[in-house]
Amino acid sequence: AQSVTQLDSQVPVFEEAPVELRCNYSSSVSVYLFWYVQYPNQGLQLLLKYLSGSTLVESINGFEAEFNKSQTSFHLRKPSVHISDTAEYFCAVSDKRTYKYIFGTGTRLKVLA
Amino acid sequence: EAQVTQNPRYLITVTGKKLTVTCSQNMNHEYMSWYRQDPGLGLRQIYYSMNVEVTDKGDVPEGYKVSRKEKRNFPLILESPSPNQTSLYFCASSLLGQEPPEAFFGQGTRLTVV
Repeated sequence: AQSVTQLDSQVPVFEEAPVELRCNYSSSVSVYLFWYVQYPNQGLQLLLKYLSGSTLVESINGFEAEFNKSQTSFHLRKPSVHISDTAEYFCAVSDKRTYKYIFGTGTRLKVLA
Repeated sequence: EAQVTQNPRYLITVTGKKLTVTCSQNMNHEYMSWYRQDPGLGLRQIYYSMNVEVTDKGDVPEGYKVSRKEKRNFPLILESPSPNQTSLYFCASSLLGQEPPEAFFGQGTRLTVV
């Protein structure tokens, strides 16, 4: 069975400050790792994904996530946040065999002016 | 434009009145699924389908039905809705064989059962 833990339900941060959203997972099978973002009143959008290879994955809007196999973590970071990054962020794993997604409980990022 | 379309976006209904939430995708994806999103619980899978006429239960299937008669459509049926099914529902689709299998989500359906 797989599980995903996002310890921080809410993260307030000032504009232009760095942020880290934490994600830990457990799985007895091989999984893919994802971060999805949900802006207010919208569906989920893929932010970035980890397949294999380099442990650092980058997105087009400045976010990056680092896969750490020994700590089973996939933390999301951004060196300087903008007001427009205010959203809810979900970490997820996908079972390679069944394609089923398991989501964390989400982290609300609130960027303050 | 590649998309997953859900209808309706908002729905208020009464206990026991059957309803259907439609989901359609235009990407020729084999895999489709339904999730419900509740505060503090994240998204939980209700049902999924690997292809036409192939459906299976997810983690929280009680009180729901689905069908997959066509590849593009995957409706969610609540035969007798109850207040504990008040939630935000998302349909998603993925292409089988893609690595990793990126899920495309609909805009969501906010259901209130009174």
